[in-house]
Amino acid sequence: EDQVTQSPEALRLQEGESSSLNCSYTVSGLRGLFWYRQDPGKGPEFLFTLYSAGEEKEKERLKATLTKKESFLHITAPKPEDSATYLCAVQAGNMLTFGGGTRLMVKP
Amino acid sequence: SAVISQKPSRDICQRGTSLTIQCQVDSQVTMMFWYRQQPGQSLTLIATANQGSEATYESGFVIDKFPISRPNLTFSTLTVSNMSPEDSSIYLCSGSGTSGPTDTQYFGPGTRLTVL
Repeated sequence: EDQVTQSPEALRLQEGESSSLNCSYTVSGLRGLFWYRQDPGKGPEFLFTLYSAGEEKEKERLKATLTKKESFLHITAPKPEDSATYLCAVQAGNMLTFGGGTRLMVKP
Repeated sequence: SAVISQKPSRDICQRGTSLTIQCQVDSQVTMMFWYRQQPGQSLTLIATANQGSEATYESGFVIDKFPISRPNLTFSTLTVSNMSPEDSSIYLCSGSGTSGPTDTQYFGPGTRLTVL
């Protein structure tokens, strides 16, 4: 059974304080690992797809990396508008299995 | 990327009634999915909506409770039948195309359902 575990569950940062979110996974036949951002009352917004170990992708203050067992979402110099829940999901076949998410709060 | 809309955005319903949620995609997508997100929790897949055939349900979800239709490549409906307060949740649809070996799923804004 595919499993995805995200840590920490919640993270409070000061504006400008860089940190990383973790996504550990076990899956048979990984086709891709996805990161989404979800704001309260909205659907998940796609951020990145990573396909193989060693791959990295960047978008503004976010950088996602992938190993054979986990993925990290690095947030550099975050701003209050980066506050959201960040979801990690793995794909085997056509379906996504989601982790529990990390709720990020960035204080000015 | 696909833009997905859902109707209604929210509803408050009485127990024992049914609600049908509509999902519209702005372009043809190969796959459409329905998820449930309970308060403070992550997403759980309910079923894959298959065009022209019966939906494929995940463990714990049955067709009598969550009938799904998908008449074409851009539209699907999910009905929550004989509702109870435990069905209070956000229901999300998603779609993915055929752009590559691993297709990104794009999500609608969700339907927030409260059952009294």
